[in-house]
Parts: sequence; structure tokens; C-alpha cells
Amino acid sequence: EVQLVESGGGLVQPGGSLRLSCAASGFSFSDHYMDWVRQAPGKGLEWVGRTRNKGNSYTTEYAASVKGRFTLSRDDSKNSLYLQMNSLKVEDTAVYYCASGRVASGGYYSYWGQGTLVTVSS
Amino acid sequence: QSVLTQPPSVSGAPGQRITISCTGSSSNIGAGYDVHWYQQLPGTAPKLLIYNNINRPSGVPDRFSGSKSGTSASLAITGLQAEDEADYYCQSYDSSLSGWVFGGGTKLTVL
Repeated sequence: EVQLVESGGGLVQPGGSLRLSCAASGFSFSDHYMDWVRQAPGKGLEWVGRTRNKGNSYTTEYAASVKGRFTLSRDDSKNSLYLQMNSLKVEDTAVYYCASGRVASGGYYSYWGQGTLVTVSS
Repeated sequence: QSVLTQPPSVSGAPGQRITISCTGSSSNIGAGYDVHWYQQLPGTAPKLLIYNNINRPSGVPDRFSGSKSGTSASLAITGLQAEDEADYYCQSYDSSLSGWVFGGGTKLTVL
């Protein structure tokens, strides 16, 4: 059974930092790109960033709204994805989903986690 | 405002057919990038419904179909069922933004 399990969400003050984790199981993690997608309360989906696999040099891409503040990383030995979030803003409040797709598949997400809520508030 | 434009809501009676449009531009759908569709039931994570414009993952009923033409794509649902009531999102790649983009989402109500 495929599972993506996010953790690390919580309440943080504006300007603060938080690190999210996503533990993957049930599929070949090293053959997949791993993304973070977020959803603000009552709003739509927003792509946050992508980290590709070893065969694609672990390259990363970021949405303009988080570039320079957020850092994606992955540890294939632990089948895990991470999101380091710095300089958090109120508008970063959202449920953060990790999502994955097989490399060279077309960019869609075959698998999603259940999400972890990040609340940025004073 | 989303790069991909979807109607905020659509509705239909059980058994009817509805379509949801996803309108983009020359930097995304019109540039030839594939369109994917997701279904998000209330309180749950999104689920892949259609990938690469027209393909259904295993387990998705054939009542769901996708199409793409020019700068737009569409999701069609035939034989509407109460369980189809959900939010639907389209996704593609945008070369101007150098990133993945979603439509604003469409809430489907089954009357």
C-alpha cells in the first residue's frame, strides 16, 4: 500500500521557521519526483516546489511566492522528503501536502499525503 | 487569480452529464503541456482523476473523461452520482512561470 505521511505542522509566529517531513512507503521513492503542494483555508491548490530524483541530479524548483525562503530536500535512504520553511508569513498558512509522480510521467501526482496544517499567526 | 481559469461552480442532477472547463494560454496548455485533473472530496486530499489530458488511472470509472484543444481542456462526467460532489482542479506546466500551476477549482454540486 502506498503511503505518504506528512508531519511537522503547527503554529508559528510570523518570521519564524518550521520544518515539514514526508515519509513515503509502498513505491519506488528513488524513481519519483517529490513535490509540496499547499492549500490555504477555503482556497485552491498551489504548487510550492519540486525535488527531482538522483537521475535528474536532485534538481529543485520553487514557486515564486516561496523562492528564497523555502528549501526542499530529500533523503532517498530514508524515503523521506523535507520542506524547510523560513521567514514565514501569515499568507503561508495552509495545509501542506506532499505529492509524488514517476519521473518522465508528465508531471502529474499519482500519490498524495493527507496533509499537515501550518498556521502562521502572532 | 489563477493562471488556469475554471468556473467556480457547476451543478447537475443525478444521471446528467456535466463538463468543467480549464482555460489557459500560450505559455501553458497552448504550448502543448499536458493537463491533469484531480478530485478533492470534502476534508480529504486530492486524488488523480485524469492524467496526460485523456487517460484514467486504474480504478477511476469511465464516466470520467478528459479532452484538450488549443489553450483549453475539459473534464466531462456522465451519469452524475451523489458521490461525485467534490472540488475538481486542473493542473499543467507554465513556461513563463517555470513551474506547475493549478486552476482555481470548480465545486460540483449534485442536485
